[in-house]
Amino acid sequence: DARVTQTPRDKVTEMGQEVTMRCQPILGHNTVFWYRQTMMQGLELLAYFRNRAPLDDSGMPKDRFSAEMPDATLATLKIQPSEPRDSAVYFCASAVAAGEGVSEAFFGQGTRLTVV
Amino acid sequence: GDSVTQMEGPVTLSEEAFLTINCTYTATGYPSLFWYVQYPGEGLQLLLKATKADDKGSNKGFEATYRKETTSFHLEKGSVQVSDSAVYFCVMDSNYQLIWGAGTKLIIKP
Repeated sequence: DARVTQTPRDKVTEMGQEVTMRCQPILGHNTVFWYRQTMMQGLELLAYFRNRAPLDDSGMPKDRFSAEMPDATLATLKIQPSEPRDSAVYFCASAVAAGEGVSEAFFGQGTRLTVV
Repeated sequence: GDSVTQMEGPVTLSEEAFLTINCTYTATGYPSLFWYVQYPGEGLQLLLKATKADDKGSNKGFEATYRKETTSFHLEKGSVQVSDSAVYFCVMDSNYQLIWGAGTKLIIKP
């Protein structure tokens, strides 16, 4: 049963600490998305990768956020230093992008981040 | 630029009522269109999709038809259940990116 796996599921941290969220995309998927969801802003695209290369990270605050794909089985989203306004649910999704566009995007269960 | 507009919520209906959630899109080409659903406390999952004009996507009693002439992809269900309470997102594939509507919260009362 192929699925996107995100860790941790929940994270509570103090302001100023570094936070790293991890995502294991579905094997064979060549596109990975990172989203943030809050009550106020809804669902926001932070970054996405194609074949491990970052294609768009314009939605991400560059001074504190960074996203990488060290290999095809792992995507990371890092916040350093974290701030209370970063509290949200962070979703990772993976998909196949081919000639006809993007296939169904499969979402992980999300990481609920609380910065106090 | 490319965009997706869907009706604002929340939409509140009684069980067995007919549902329509409107969605329109702006795109330069002929994108694939999707409806995603997010149940309370869960992640997002694909509900249905259509890849070309006049295609009808369907799943779990929900349907949506890709209308090129009106650039619309409205979601419908003939008889909703309490378990359909969720947030529904209309999504478009634009140049290999996913463009999301704001989401419509659906509340079904028994």
